[in-house]
Amino acid sequence: AQKITQTQPGMFVQEKEAVTLDCTYDTSDPSYGLFWYKQPSSGEMIFLIYQGSYDQQNATEGRYSLNFQKARKSANLVISASQLGDSAMYFCAMREGGSGGGADGLTFGKGTHLIIQP
Amino acid sequence: DTAVSQTPKYLVTQMGNDKSIKCEQNLGHDTMYWYKQDSKKFLKIMFSYNNKELIINETVPNRFSPKSPDKAHLNLHINSLELGDSAVYFCASSQAFPGTGVGNTIYFGEGSWLTVV
Repeated sequence: AQKITQTQPGMFVQEKEAVTLDCTYDTSDPSYGLFWYKQPSSGEMIFLIYQGSYDQQNATEGRYSLNFQKARKSANLVISASQLGDSAMYFCAMREGGSGGGADGLTFGKGTHLIIQP
Repeated sequence: DTAVSQTPKYLVTQMGNDKSIKCEQNLGHDTMYWYKQDSKKFLKIMFSYNNKELIINETVPNRFSPKSPDKAHLNLHINSLELGDSAVYFCASSQAFPGTGVGNTIYFGEGSWLTVV
């Protein structure tokens, strides 16, 4: 079973609109971290935002916020006031505590290709 | 200054050759990783090292051998390259180990595009 599911392979959004990128995860570990990364066409992986499983509040970083619904195992990324430069692949990822304490790095979803239209 | 840097960025080579990708991080992190991104953009961990010790070795062919001379460097050597090895290889690092907190955020290099012909 997939641990990270991103159900939107691609999205087209008008500039200045808000965007929600979906991410659901699957884990039985009480300790985990959720991460979002952006990969523009140039290829680098850019860390955007983090949410810990014990965090009470949703994470925010500038125009990025994470809509964390723990009971639903959902960690959607919200981008407010989208810009042309937001066009990129977006990956949701999870790091579980487990017996290794997070030693096994990140598990990634398949990504969402976001295109912002003028 | 680039935090995680890897060289070369592009590499085109013939089947059967041996090649290396070098990685260096100047973040003072203890843990380094190699990830592979396939043609469908799927990212998967290959190896992780903590303080020069191998922690994870996923089901990667033994033609792939990581080497960590010190905790700031993690190189990837690939023997007898095959067509299926064509991918983007990302080096990455994180500060804390182990754990799932924000201190464990993994920072990636710019990627090395390997094409085997």
